[in-house]
Amino acid sequence: KQEVTQIPAALSVPEGENLVLNCSFTDSAIYNLQWFRQDPGKGLTSLLLIQSSQREQTSGRLNASLDKSSGRSTLYIAASQPGDSATYLCAVRPIGSGNTGKLIFGQGTTLQVKP
Amino acid sequence: NAGVTQTPKFRVLKTGQSMTLLCAQDMNHEYMYWYRQDPGMGLRLIHYSVGEGTTAKGEVPDGYNVSRLKKQNFLLGLESAAPSQTSVYFCASKRWFADTQYFGPGTRLTVL
Repeated sequence: KQEVTQIPAALSVPEGENLVLNCSFTDSAIYNLQWFRQDPGKGLTSLLLIQSSQREQTSGRLNASLDKSSGRSTLYIAASQPGDSATYLCAVRPIGSGNTGKLIFGQGTTLQVKP
Repeated sequence: NAGVTQTPKFRVLKTGQSMTLLCAQDMNHEYMYWYRQDPGMGLRLIHYSVGEGTTAKGEVPDGYNVSRLKKQNFLLGLESAAPSQTSVYFCASKRWFADTQYFGPGTRLTVL
């Protein structure tokens, strides 16, 4: 059974710091991996999606990497800002899900960037 | 476009009461999903639909029923609410060929 784990559950950093969020999954048979952002009381917004054949994706100050063989992904945030404060979740789409689009989510990492 | 909307935003029920959560999307998406989010457990899939008139069970379907009578709407029903169903419920939708799901703002449900 696919399991997705994110450690740590919470992280607090000073503004301007570069940081890395971690995501691990137990089964490498995935179509893709996504990183989402969730603001308090809001829904999820997709940040980056990495297909299983890709190693990384970049969007602005965000860079996500994928090492499928080791079951790991990282989300790198450069020059963090208070506006980056949110919960970040990763999710994998298992190959066993067929064309249903089902996702398996991690528990999330809540990031606080202090001014 | 309003995207994905959920009704209601908040609700408090007593044990044994029933209710229906409504999800609506205006993006002509074929696939729709219902998730629940509990502290420390991420999102878990309750039920999903790959098209009008079709539904299927997800990871945690017990105690819930769903219906997709119209393409734009996906209803989640609780027939006899239990305290274990206290959670935040999210609806999501996507095009059949796409990977990205679009999420609604959530419904916070408390069962006393």
